[in-house]
Amino acid sequence: EPEVTQTPSHQVTQMGQEVILRCVPISNHLYFYWYRQILGQKVEFLVSFYNNEISEKSEIFDDQFSVERPDGSNFTLKIRSTKLEDSAMYFCASSEGVAGNSPLHFGNGTRLTVT
Amino acid sequence: AQTVTQSQPEMSVQEAETVTLSCTYDTSESNYYLFWYKQPPSRQMILVIRQEAYKQQNATENRFSVNFQKAAKSFSLKISDSQLGDTAMYFCAFMKSNAGNMLTFGGGTRLMVKP
Repeated sequence: EPEVTQTPSHQVTQMGQEVILRCVPISNHLYFYWYRQILGQKVEFLVSFYNNEISEKSEIFDDQFSVERPDGSNFTLKIRSTKLEDSAMYFCASSEGVAGNSPLHFGNGTRLTVT
Repeated sequence: AQTVTQSQPEMSVQEAETVTLSCTYDTSESNYYLFWYKQPPSRQMILVIRQEAYKQQNATENRFSVNFQKAAKSFSLKISDSQLGDTAMYFCAFMKSNAGNMLTFGGGTRLMVKP
């Protein structure tokens, strides 16, 4: 069964540095998402992306964050200047459509540690 | 805004027995979807079961079934004939019908299936 793959599985960075988290969505999916989970807290929606533009974003997704689909397969999340509170598990997901009958397929996540 | 509450942080069950995980939610929406996701130690979140709010019939998926009480805003997950592989975090999630796959998650319930 096709999977969403995320790299790296763990990323350690220093505060103030830029990081790029990478995702390869399922190939026939058109909608892409980033969610995050701070340790011990709920999984939170960050952003959704369709047709090369952001379709929805949460309050968390401020100017420090950006997403891009640089080619036909990758979907990236960039954090421009990381803060300690950005430490979290970041999950990429994709779906064929947006209705509730087109469920999200999640990747294994990237654990980001900001020191 | 929607909220999703899972009141049981941890549960355990003996192999082959039945366990029910609780979930309540708060919304003013009339059309929405509810989901249960499983997150095993591999970290990948996997969709277990989905319920459309306008359907009165409770969803079932093999050993997994839900008890959807729309008036009470309750959406519990029943796992029958529990297996060791069911050991995981279970997340309840809510999505408005026109929300573009923006999921609101509960805090999760850690389920341990004991041999």
